[in-house]
Amino acid sequence: GAVVSQHPSRVICKSGTSVKIECRSLDFQATTMFWYRQFPKQSLMLMATSNEGSKATYEQGVEKDKFLINHASLTLSTLTVTSAHPEDSSFYICSARPGTPGAETQYFGPGTRLLVL
Amino acid sequence: ILNVEQSPQSLHVQEGDSTNFTCSFPSSNFYALHWYRWETAKSPEALFVMTLNGDEKKKGRISATLNTKEGYSYLYIKGSQPEDSATYLCAFGAGSYQLTFGKGTKLSVIP
Repeated sequence: GAVVSQHPSRVICKSGTSVKIECRSLDFQATTMFWYRQFPKQSLMLMATSNEGSKATYEQGVEKDKFLINHASLTLSTLTVTSAHPEDSSFYICSARPGTPGAETQYFGPGTRLLVL
Repeated sequence: ILNVEQSPQSLHVQEGDSTNFTCSFPSSNFYALHWYRWETAKSPEALFVMTLNGDEKKKGRISATLNTKEGYSYLYIKGSQPEDSATYLCAFGAGSYQLTFGKGTKLSVIP
């Protein structure tokens, strides 16, 4: 149980295009989903927290107009990198927290490697 | 900015050896400490969530301890096997379900 999928696993795009990444909880309902980014040799850095049906909360330094997050259902959140540039090339990974009261564990997807040319 | 440090950054051990590594975190505003195991090309796998000072948790050959007063947690692997090779991440939770991660310890078990 507690499986999170993420699609696509890898994407290469041209500078200026937009890329959408999907994060799905397959066997549980996720009240909250999180989006992280990891640059080489760095730790996972939280970008934003998304709650179903409400606006995402972005961490300091993360542009909300650049990284659009939609959490339209309890099993799906999407991250859209708008007008991607080479400096957006990174590893993006989502996690989902079950809605069960007291549930602390976040379950992660396998991540998406984005390369912007 | 919360600082979560893991050491060592990487280590190589022989199959059958036991090993341990450290996660240090802020000792204030503690809510939970998470350990994950992350194999290449897979999702990070949740190992433990620890919330109480003095907590000890065990899962097969892997165990973890927690000291919230001094701000550290140890992860132990007994009798390492090649399939234990992975990056082990710890993450500090300060109460809002948001996690601050360390950079991880990359373990390689040599057959």
